[in-house]
Amino acid sequence: RKEVEQDPGPFNVPEGATVAFNCTYSNSASQSFFWYRQDCRKEPKLLMSVYSSGNEDGRFTAQLNRASQYISLLIRDSKLSDSATYLCVVNMYSGGGADGLTFGKGTHLIIQP
Amino acid sequence: NAGVTQTPKFQVLKTGQSMTLQCAQDMNHEYMSWYRQDPGMGLRLIHYSVGAGITDQGEVPNGYNVSRSTTEDFPLRLLSAAPSQTSVYFCASSYSTSGLGEQFFGPGTRLTVL
Repeated sequence: RKEVEQDPGPFNVPEGATVAFNCTYSNSASQSFFWYRQDCRKEPKLLMSVYSSGNEDGRFTAQLNRASQYISLLIRDSKLSDSATYLCVVNMYSGGGADGLTFGKGTHLIIQP
Repeated sequence: NAGVTQTPKFQVLKTGQSMTLQCAQDMNHEYMSWYRQDPGMGLRLIHYSVGAGITDQGEVPNGYNVSRSTTEDFPLRLLSAAPSQTSVYFCASSYSTSGLGEQFFGPGTRLTVL
């Protein structure tokens, strides 16, 4: 059974702090990993892809740990505008197309002034 | 570019009614898909299409039909609405023909079935 698991939160974090959350996946053959951001009552939007070597985009850092089968998202110097739900997305079938994309239920982040 | 557009934004149906959710994209993407999002659950794939004339089932296809006569449009038809189909429906498109690239989502249709 394919699974992508996330802590639903909410994570309540003061503005300016660093916050990190993980996402675990069950299929060791998964090849593609993404973080999407979804604001309340809005559509998901791609935040960043996650590469094997890890990658950074401004205040956001994504990492992949294949041995332990999880990906992580780190947000530094958090802003009020970072408040959102962060969705972990994994391609659960090796070589498969987006019929194999599995979305986690999301981690709700609240940045407090 | 308008991106991915969906109509209607909101809809209330009675059990047994049928309707079509419209989805269009102007990015010339071959790959399009429909998801539903329910409280406490991740997005689940209903149907997808890798190009005009080609459709396939996703994880939760029962009760839904799709067609893809043009690259731009990918309507989702509810055959006989049931309360279990109350959900938020998102259409998405992708430049990657495998669908593994960035998914561009429409604003969603909030459907309530009474």
